Amino acid sequence: DIQMTQSPSSLSASVGDRVTITCRANQIITTYLNWYQRKPGKAPNLLIYAASNLQSGVPSRFSGSGSRTNFTLTISSLQLEDFATYYCQQTYSIPYTFGQGTKLEIK
Amino acid sequence: QVQLQESGPGLVKPSETLSLTCTVSGGSISSYYWSWIRQPPGKGLEWIGYIHYSGSTRYNPSLKSRVTISVDTSKNQFSLKLSSATAADTAVYYCARELRYFDWLPAFDPWGQGTLVTVSS
Repeated sequence: DIQMTQSPSSLSASVGDRVTITCRANQIITTYLNWYQRKPGKAPNLLIYAASNLQSGVPSRFSGSGSRTNFTLTISSLQLEDFATYYCQQTYSIPYTFGQGTKLEIK
Repeated sequence: QVQLQESGPGLVKPSETLSLTCTVSGGSISSYYWSWIRQPPGKGLEWIGYIHYSGSTRYNPSLKSRVTISVDTSKNQFSLKLSSATAADTAVYYCARELRYFDWLPAFDPWGQGTLVTVSS
C-alpha cells in the first residue's frame, strides 16, 4: 500500500493567515492526489483533484500544487468557515489511501 | 445535486455481518463508480472498496475476504456487507461517488454524512 504522510497533524492559525499543509507519498504517484475538507458531523468535501485542480464551487483561496511524491494545500487567507480537518488521498493505485489528517484550529 | 445517505444498524454483535445501504438521490447511480470508506475512532480514513454500476468491484486487500459490495440500480442504492465483524470494525462508515476526472483520475464527490456502526455484544 502507498503510505501518505501529512504535516502538521494540527495547526493553529488566525483569520486572514496564509496556511500550507504538506502531504508526502512514499512512492511516486504523479498527480493522482486529492484534497478533502471535513467539518464535524458533515460529509467530507472534495477541494482539489489531480493535485492542483480546484473543484467547482470551492473558493479560489484554496490551491494545490506538487507532483510525484510531494504535495501542498494552501489557503491564501483563512476564513472562519475554513477551520476543519483536511485530508490528502492518493488514487494512483488500489487500495486508495489517505493521509492521517491535519486539524486546523482557531488561534 | 446528487446526495448520498447511509442507512443500517448502528449496533452489530461480534461475529455477525455488518450491513449498510447507501441511497443515491438527485441523480442516477448509472455511469459511475461508488465507494465505501470508513474511519475508526481516533484513526485515519480507510477505503473499503468500490462497485461500478455494471456490478464490477474492487476491494481493499486488507478486507477482501470479508467484504461484499453490491448495487441495485432499480432502487438507486448500493450496499456493503462485512462479515465476521469484530470491535476493530467499529467506525463511521461513509459512502461516496467516485468520479474519474480527465477519464483517469479517481476522486470522491459527493460523500454521505456517515453513519457510526459499533460492534459490541
